[in-house]
Amino acid sequence: QSALTQPASVSGSPGQSITISCTGTSSDVGGYNYVSWYQQHPGKAPKLMIYEVSNRPSGVPDRFSGSKSGNTASLTISGLQAEDEADYYCSSYTSSSTWVFGGGTKLTVL
Amino acid sequence: QVQLQESGPGLVKPSQTLSLTCTVSGGSISSGSYYWSWIRQPAGKGLEWIGRIYTSGSTNYNPSLKSRVTISVDTSKNQFSLKLSSVTAADTAVYYCARGADFELTFDYWGQGTLVTVSS
Repeated sequence: QSALTQPASVSGSPGQSITISCTGTSSDVGGYNYVSWYQQHPGKAPKLMIYEVSNRPSGVPDRFSGSKSGNTASLTISGLQAEDEADYYCSSYTSSSTWVFGGGTKLTVL
Repeated sequence: QVQLQESGPGLVKPSQTLSLTCTVSGGSISSGSYYWSWIRQPAGKGLEWIGRIYTSGSTNYNPSLKSRVTISVDTSKNQFSLKLSSVTAADTAVYYCARGADFELTFDYWGQGTLVTVSS
């Protein structure tokens, strides 16, 4: 299974919105609504931010939203804040009953 | 609040077997609809799913690691474990254990991670 494709980096100024894409195939992202997004600060464990494409766990700000079209899922962060600076990873359940992650995107808040 | 904690040797010699244990606290490993996974991250790189186990013992593994991986569970100790055989330097990584939610098919709780270095 190949890793999902994410941009290596994105950036935005405080208050702006950014979108991170995550491209897979019909065997993973396109085939299931089981896409998740994780936030990882340096030296810390990943934290679940979005599951089932667009659902937020309790405690995650509504500035974080997710969507999907075809084989590409997206994470949008609106009203960027300094604490949003982190690495973001998408993941998807696959047709082989396994999981695949994206390569990660480094978000810089300018 | 569920908590997961990885434990095991931080240094493993090439060709040997890497062994890690994840201890679950704050709830029974057998309760609810969950599975238990291992995920790793080489320094400066992305996350790689290794495999998962249900408390029934049913497992799924990453095809790229399947021939070398064994995940087991000990419900009496509220623990699950990872064994990775014939390790090389490429297996050097931070290893995370995580809880998976069976209906949402996501990883909702993670351990803090433990660094395992493969070196002679």
